[in-house]
Amino acid sequence: AQSVTQLGSHVSVSEGALVLLRCNYSSSVPPYLFWYVQYPNQGLQLLLKYTTGATLVKGINGFEAEFKKSETSFHLTKPSAHMSDAAEYFCAVSRTGTASKLTFGTGTRLQVTL
Amino acid sequence: KAGVTQTPRYLIKTRGQQVTLSCSPISGHRSVSWYQQTPGQGLQFLFEYFSETQRNKGNFPGRFSGRQFSNSRSEMNVSTLELGDSALYLCASSLLGRGLSETQYFGPGTRLLVL
Repeated sequence: AQSVTQLGSHVSVSEGALVLLRCNYSSSVPPYLFWYVQYPNQGLQLLLKYTTGATLVKGINGFEAEFKKSETSFHLTKPSAHMSDAAEYFCAVSRTGTASKLTFGTGTRLQVTL
Repeated sequence: KAGVTQTPRYLIKTRGQQVTLSCSPISGHRSVSWYQQTPGQGLQFLFEYFSETQRNKGNFPGRFSGRQFSNSRSEMNVSTLELGDSALYLCASSLLGRGLSETQYFGPGTRLLVL
């Protein structure tokens, strides 16, 4: 069974600081990995996804993630945090190779302080 | 193009009742997936519909059911509500639901409170 683990349910950074949200996956087959963001009282928005090919994936809003097979990780980073980045972030893996059936991590709430 | 819409946005029910939630996908999208989000269990996949047929199903009891209409609109029904069914129910649509090149677009969700 495929699963994802997000380390740290809450992360707090200062505005302008590096954002690092951790995600590790377990999978017996090559995984397909996603990062979603959820703002208060809203649904989920896709930030980026890894399927095949380049291991460094760039997404929207300046976020990127690197797929590291040796570490079974897909950590999300952003060089400089902005107040508008405050939200909950979810890492997800596809079980079936389709984006329509996802297994999500427990989420990391990002707080950005002045 | 309008996004995914879900109605109602908020709902309060009592134990034992049943509830129907509605989801209208983005125009032209034929795949609709449903997820349950709770503080304890997180986001869990319920089921996916494509062309009026259930194509994938998560690990939920039979009290949870759904359907899709010919215009791709989808409904999910929960019968004999339990307190633990209190959650945010999210609907997502995509063009075909096949392949990883597609993006799923999520609606704002329906927040269900069971008393």
